[in-house]
Amino acid sequence: GAGVSQSPRYKVTKRGQDVALRCDPISGHVSLYWYRQALGQGPEFLTYFNYEAQQDKSGLPNDRFSAERPEGSISTLTIQRTEQRDSAMYRCASSLGTGGGRNEKLFFGSGTQLSVL
Amino acid sequence: AQSVTQLDSQVPVFEEAPVELRCNYSSSVSVYLFWYVQYPNQGLQLLLKYLSGSTLVKGINGFEAEFNKSQTSFHLRKPSVHISDTAEYFCAVSDPPGGGNKLTFGTGTQLKVEL
Repeated sequence: GAGVSQSPRYKVTKRGQDVALRCDPISGHVSLYWYRQALGQGPEFLTYFNYEAQQDKSGLPNDRFSAERPEGSISTLTIQRTEQRDSAMYRCASSLGTGGGRNEKLFFGSGTQLSVL
Repeated sequence: AQSVTQLDSQVPVFEEAPVELRCNYSSSVSVYLFWYVQYPNQGLQLLLKYLSGSTLVKGINGFEAEFNKSQTSFHLRKPSVHISDTAEYFCAVSDPPGGGNKLTFGTGTQLKVEL
């Protein structure tokens, strides 16, 4: 696609429900990143993939959060048993390469706004 | 752990005036530094980045930033702003070489350009 696509754009759920957030990166992009942005804050790193391999999940807050990218393209971020503190904008980004070098940059999607009631 | 400080949460400025958005980072190792811009209802977009070399970095839309290692700063500047520059600006840092695009962001500065 032309850009990074995230769905749904908005998600409202009740506390205790599971949610799945989808990210479709730019075609051919090797790396895919998930960030979370709380209101009034900057984005916070959650996890990232090179191809289908999850390289770093140190930013996932707890074991209710998981992510996968089974075919090295589309990724899903799943939050189980949602809590109100999970409410935030969840942003996905992709990059062509893996090393973050001089000629690389991240392309961000518009995000999924999650509201847990 | 790295951290990025953007002291100004909001910066109002008149159109055609110069602007400086401040960013300081804390890291004892060499870093990559970035400025991103976020327009309403859009994703973040890279303005410019510093990896190494010349400390003055020029980016898109007439923005530039200067890396100052002794002051651990990476302030963003534009000599003459336009209404369309109204947006939120984020400073970010990563650890080379393996840090790649795992970024630590500041809390952002809302630039509001007024007529």
